[in-house]
Amino acid sequence: SAVISQKPSRDICQRGTSLTIQCQVDSQVTMMFWYRQQPGQSLTLIATANQGSEATYESGFVIDKFPISRPNLTFSTLTVSNMSPEDSSIYLCSVPDWGYGEAFFGQGTRLTVV
Amino acid sequence: GESVGLHLPTLSVQEGDNSIINCAYSNSASDYFIWYKQESGKGPQFIIDIRSNMDKRQGQRVTVLLNKTVKHLSLQIAATQPGDSAVYFCADRRYGQNFVFGPGTRLSVLP
Repeated sequence: SAVISQKPSRDICQRGTSLTIQCQVDSQVTMMFWYRQQPGQSLTLIATANQGSEATYESGFVIDKFPISRPNLTFSTLTVSNMSPEDSSIYLCSVPDWGYGEAFFGQGTRLTVV
Repeated sequence: GESVGLHLPTLSVQEGDNSIINCAYSNSASDYFIWYKQESGKGPQFIIDIRSNMDKRQGQRVTVLLNKTVKHLSLQIAATQPGDSAVYFCADRRYGQNFVFGPGTRLSVLP
């Protein structure tokens, strides 16, 4: 299993500002995933963070809005840029088991934009 | 893309009763299925999983049933306890691909 730590656990931000969320894994992993969970909703994949290359974004998500860094095999950041109230969500990082195994999740970052 | 859905958004059960949470998936190529439990303020936590070559798998107080013919997945919780109150998500994937999550069911356990 993998232990994933996210920082911050929650934040309240002003619209128009940016927030960077950190994700630290206790082991080296090839891929890390970032999800968004809007209030009362399920998890939607934002992007896959690849070490040594650009992140791969899902439909509806763009790099300018959600820039991602992956400087090494245990760490990634997701930035939510130029925030609006619609960005209020829980943001989760995840590490997969690429065999027949589960995905492990951090505790999430609860973001409120006012 | 294809998505996983749930039949019921909310479910209330009496403490001690059995709970059944249902899920429909659409990707016939999916070969791995998983149920997650998400408590307030926490990330999703693994409950139980099942591969496509099985139709039933049991854990401690939980059972997952898979019907590939109708692309249906269910989670059964025996003797539901207050600590089972949470949102439950099903997810599916094909080997090597990302998980697709269902919309979630909120389970409330009544005293």
